[in-house]
Amino acid sequence: ETGVTQTPRHLVMGMTNKKSLKCEQHLGHNAMYWYKQSAKKPLELMFVYSLEERVENNSVPSRFSPECPNSSHLFLHLHTLQPEDSALYLCASSQGTGSAYEQYFGPGTRLTVT
Amino acid sequence: AQSVTQLDSHVSVSEGTPVLLRCNYSSSYSPSLFWYVQHPNKGLQLLLKYTSAATLVKGINGFEAEFKKSETSFHLTKPSAHMSDAAEYFCVVSGPGNMLTFGGGTRLMVKP
Repeated sequence: ETGVTQTPRHLVMGMTNKKSLKCEQHLGHNAMYWYKQSAKKPLELMFVYSLEERVENNSVPSRFSPECPNSSHLFLHLHTLQPEDSALYLCASSQGTGSAYEQYFGPGTRLTVT
Repeated sequence: AQSVTQLDSHVSVSEGTPVLLRCNYSSSYSPSLFWYVQHPNKGLQLLLKYTSAATLVKGINGFEAEFKKSETSFHLTKPSAHMSDAAEYFCVVSGPGNMLTFGGGTRLMVKP
């Protein structure tokens, strides 16, 4: 098991709901990431945080709102989602944002939007 | 810009036979390359990484990969497949800011 945990593991929400995904890393890393894994599509990077500051927003719709209160925690706030947002959302962390630093992934949150 | 192509979406082998999962990449930079494995309902686990040191990289569970710059390839191999190797495998290239670009994945099936 990795040092990155995600809660909840499964979430079903209606299009008008507001919910949040939580990620916590216990590795002392300085960078954290959100990815979306949809069926039959490559993993897509959504957000990158380094030292609690957002350094990349990969053209993600505003209905996804990230928050990084400290270097160990990362949230993804969700509101007015669409059915096509149903996917596995993966969190990752790395020691830094240099390209040689491997990323450690959590188990993911399986989101279903009804 | 960078991209990754995994040449086979599915590979099926018999237990005890060699495994070859193919990956080609393109990158405007000197890339770092990774292979990750994903078992059902699990997150991604790092198998191995290449970061401009030795071109033959050994990873966990008997896997290894060879970086071939002239062919822009980073194929993953294992001499003898085990039933527990059945999973999806992702070839990944890392660029500036550690932004990862993933291949489409190869699902490995291992027959008894």
